[in-house]
Amino acid sequence: SQTIHQWPATLVQPVGSPLSLECTVEGTSNPNLYWYRQAAGRGLQLLFYSVGIGQISSEVPQNLSASRPQDRQFILSSKKLLLSDSGFYLCACQPGLSGNTIYFGEGSWLTVV
Amino acid sequence: GQQLNQSPQSMFIQEGEDVSMNCTSSSIFNTWLWYKQDPGEGPVLLIALYKAGELTSNGRLTAQFGITRKDSFLNISASIPSDVGIYFCAGPPFAGGTSYGKLTFGQGTILTVHP
Repeated sequence: SQTIHQWPATLVQPVGSPLSLECTVEGTSNPNLYWYRQAAGRGLQLLFYSVGIGQISSEVPQNLSASRPQDRQFILSSKKLLLSDSGFYLCACQPGLSGNTIYFGEGSWLTVV
Repeated sequence: GQQLNQSPQSMFIQEGEDVSMNCTSSSIFNTWLWYKQDPGEGPVLLIALYKAGELTSNGRLTAQFGITRKDSFLNISASIPSDVGIYFCAGPPFAGGTSYGKLTFGQGTILTVHP
């Protein structure tokens, strides 16, 4: 079965600083990968999804970007963080043969101060 | 965008009681998924439903895929304190023969269990 690793688990960053959250997946090949954000413990908002290396689709306009340099690596970035970027970020994976089932990583808490 | 209506938004129950929550949609879904999220952690898949009318159990949890394909429910029997958390329904809306693998999530049901 697949395993999803996210890091860092917790991050406190000043406004205007850059961001890099990393996600790696083990146990599957050619997965679909996703970044979600969750605010206030409710509601999961899809930010980006990727169906393959270098293929990124953005769901909402925002201050963030995503990249997929390798099949099982997904990175969420920002050049200059805003206060509104604070939240709980979740990487998710849809394994190649799982149908529509998506599995989540442990999450990364970002606080922008 | 597509939204799922999940209810209730929160529940406060006594240990040992049964729990029921549901999700409805205006669109047909191919798959219904139920997740549980503990505080500070990522959601964990509880049950996946793939066929209309399907009834699936996982321990004390039972979920059903509605016949109309527009709703699903999750029941928890004999609740225990560790059932506390946020429960989410999710699914990929059916769209022209494909569902793209992108999930739409309900807003979650916050469950509190008093010992």
